[in-house]
Amino acid sequence: AQTVTQSQPEMSVQEAETVTLSCTYDTSESDYYLFWYKQPPSRQMILVIRQEAYKQQNATENRFSVNFQKAAKSFSLKISDSQLGDAAMYFCAYRVTGANNLFFGTGTRLTVIP
Amino acid sequence: NAGVMQNPRHLVRRRGQEARLRCSPMKGHSHVYWYRQLPEEGLKFMVYLQKENIIDESGMPKERFSAEFPKEGPSILRIQQVVRGDSAAYFCASSPVTIALNTEAFFGQGTRLTVV
Repeated sequence: AQTVTQSQPEMSVQEAETVTLSCTYDTSESDYYLFWYKQPPSRQMILVIRQEAYKQQNATENRFSVNFQKAAKSFSLKISDSQLGDAAMYFCAYRVTGANNLFFGTGTRLTVIP
Repeated sequence: NAGVMQNPRHLVRRRGQEARLRCSPMKGHSHVYWYRQLPEEGLKFMVYLQKENIIDESGMPKERFSAEFPKEGPSILRIQQVVRGDSAAYFCASSPVTIALNTEAFFGQGTRLTVV
């Protein structure tokens, strides 16, 4: 069974500081994709960053970067220079290569303190 | 280019009534995916459709739930005889080709269904 676990229901960070959100997953597959989605109060699901499992290099998108540890099945999201607009629910997700569906974690609610 | 449009944003139904949720994919997208988000949970896959075809309904409850994506018009998720446990946010996503080919799916803002 494929499961995605986010062990931090809530996190907070001071504006301009750095925060790391953790995610672990369980799979027997070797080829897959990992994602972080942001869900602001508007409920829109917005893709923040994605990582291909076959790539050793960690993905980076501006202030967002991941620490992908394939052996440990860990996929954490680091947000640098946090901004008020980063406040949202963050969901980690997983998809097997060639599959049509995503598996999501239960989310981490991030609060940014001015 | 408008994004994925879902309506209504909020829907209230009494127990036993029918709920119809609509999803208009992005222009040029012919693949639609429905997900359900129960309170305090992540999104869970329900069904994947292409125009006029259901490709994967492995996440759909066996009874009362159905989905369609006709040749013309939006995709519809239909829930018959709703119960309190159906209260959730229902999200639709669309993509130009199947996400199995590693393209991105774009999500709508969801429909929040409340059953009273």
